[in-house]
Amino acid sequence: DADVTQTPRNRITKTGKRIMLECSQTKGHDRMYWYRQDPGLGLRLIYYSFDVKDINKGEISDGYSVSRQAQAKFSLSLESAIPNQTALYFCATSGTGATDTQYFGPGTRLTVL
Amino acid sequence: GENVEQHPSTLSVQEGDSAVIKCTYSDSASNYFPWYKQELGKGPQLIIDIRSNVGEKKDQRIAVTLNKTAKHFSLHITETQPEDSAVYFCAASKYAGKSTFGDGTTLTVKP
Repeated sequence: DADVTQTPRNRITKTGKRIMLECSQTKGHDRMYWYRQDPGLGLRLIYYSFDVKDINKGEISDGYSVSRQAQAKFSLSLESAIPNQTALYFCATSGTGATDTQYFGPGTRLTVL
Repeated sequence: GENVEQHPSTLSVQEGDSAVIKCTYSDSASNYFPWYKQELGKGPQLIIDIRSNVGEKKDQRIAVTLNKTAKHFSLHITETQPEDSAVYFCAASKYAGKSTFGDGTTLTVKP
């Protein structure tokens, strides 16, 4: 079984709809992250959480919110989706060391019409 | 904040040739430089990393070099194979959770 799972894998929604992307991990890591990937733009950090009670904004948090329901679960919400949020979204986890490897999920392809 | 530039954006090589991807970073306090490989339909996966106290690291056909003075680091793949075809990302960070990624290089290895 995959260590980091994301649901759904694909989602098409309409402008103005609320949508939630979910991430679960079985690696026992405290740290979890949400990234957005656009063609030719690499990965940009949306939010990250160092433990259940610690949530931090990344470089592109506007229009997004997150919830850390448990050590193993980290959800990303778009309260009112807009077309320029169409992208590939990745969840990642890591241990607590300064140089610990980040382990990525398979991604969620989101299309906002 | 940190800025990471990656070149080239696309790279095509013949099977068996070497491939080199270069990245530069702006924040001299960055001390950790991972490289990720992303295959089609999958998330990025770490292939090699280097810390700022090391100038070079090698793992079989893959090597990474770091020049702290010039603030650049490179990925070298020797004896390329078709299965090396993927998108490669460099990243720089000074502490976990704040990695800044390059824009990616699409490597194509022609049989």
